[in-house]
Amino acid sequence: EVQLLESGGGLGQPGGSLRLSCAASGFNFNSEAMSWLRQAPGKGLEWVSSLSADGGATFYADSVKGRFTVSRDNSKNTLFLQMNSLRAEDTALYYCAKDWGHGRWGRGTLVIVSS
Amino acid sequence: DVVVTQSPLSLSVTLGQSASISCRSSQSFVDSNGDTYLSWFHQRPGQSPRRLIYEVSKRDSGVPDRFSGSGSGTDFTLKISRVEAEDVGVYSCMQYGHWPRTFGQGTKVEIK
Repeated sequence: EVQLLESGGGLGQPGGSLRLSCAASGFNFNSEAMSWLRQAPGKGLEWVSSLSADGGATFYADSVKGRFTVSRDNSKNTLFLQMNSLRAEDTALYYCAKDWGHGRWGRGTLVIVSS
Repeated sequence: DVVVTQSPLSLSVTLGQSASISCRSSQSFVDSNGDTYLSWFHQRPGQSPRRLIYEVSKRDSGVPDRFSGSGSGTDFTLKISRVEAEDVGVYSCMQYGHWPRTFGQGTKVEIK
C-alpha cells in the first residue's frame, strides 16, 4: 500500500526557514516523480514544486521560486522541501504527492508563518 | 500560465441523482502522443485530496464507475451518477500538461 508521511511543519518566523520531509513506502520511490502541493486555510489547492525520479529536473511555482528547494534521497525513500525566506502567505497545509499526476497524496503537514 | 475555470462553484444534489462539474482551460494541453493531462480530485472535509480521474477519462483504482470524466481541447466534465452521501466535499480539476500545474477553484458538492 502506498504511504506518504509528511513531517517538519510548525511555526516559522517571517524570513525564517523550515524543512519539510515526506517518507514514502509501498512503491518504487526511485522510479517516481514527486511533488509538493499546498492548501492555505479555507482555500483551494496550489501546486508548489515537482522533482523527477532521479532528482535531475526540478520545477517551481513562481510564488516560491528562489526561496524553496525540493530534493530527494532515493536511498532513504524521502522527499524534502527546504523553505527559506518564509512569508505569511506560505501558511498552509503542505502535501507531498506521488508521480507527475499526483496520483496519491499524504495527509499533510501544517506550516504557519507568523511572528 | 494555463488558467483553469470550474463551474459551478457549489452544487446541491439529491441522493441518487446525477451531478456534473465543468472545467475549462485557457489553452489546450495535448502532448505529442495525443494524451491530455487533466485530472479530477475529490477532497472530503478534513481529508487529503484523492485523485479520481486522470488523462481526462481514466478512473483511478478503486474509484466507483459512478464517476466519469469526459471532454477534449479546453472543455472537460466530471459526471457523478447516482450521487451517494460519501460524495460530498470539494471537487477540483487540474491540468498537468504545462508548468506550472494549475487547479480550478474547486466545486463544493453537498446533499440536499
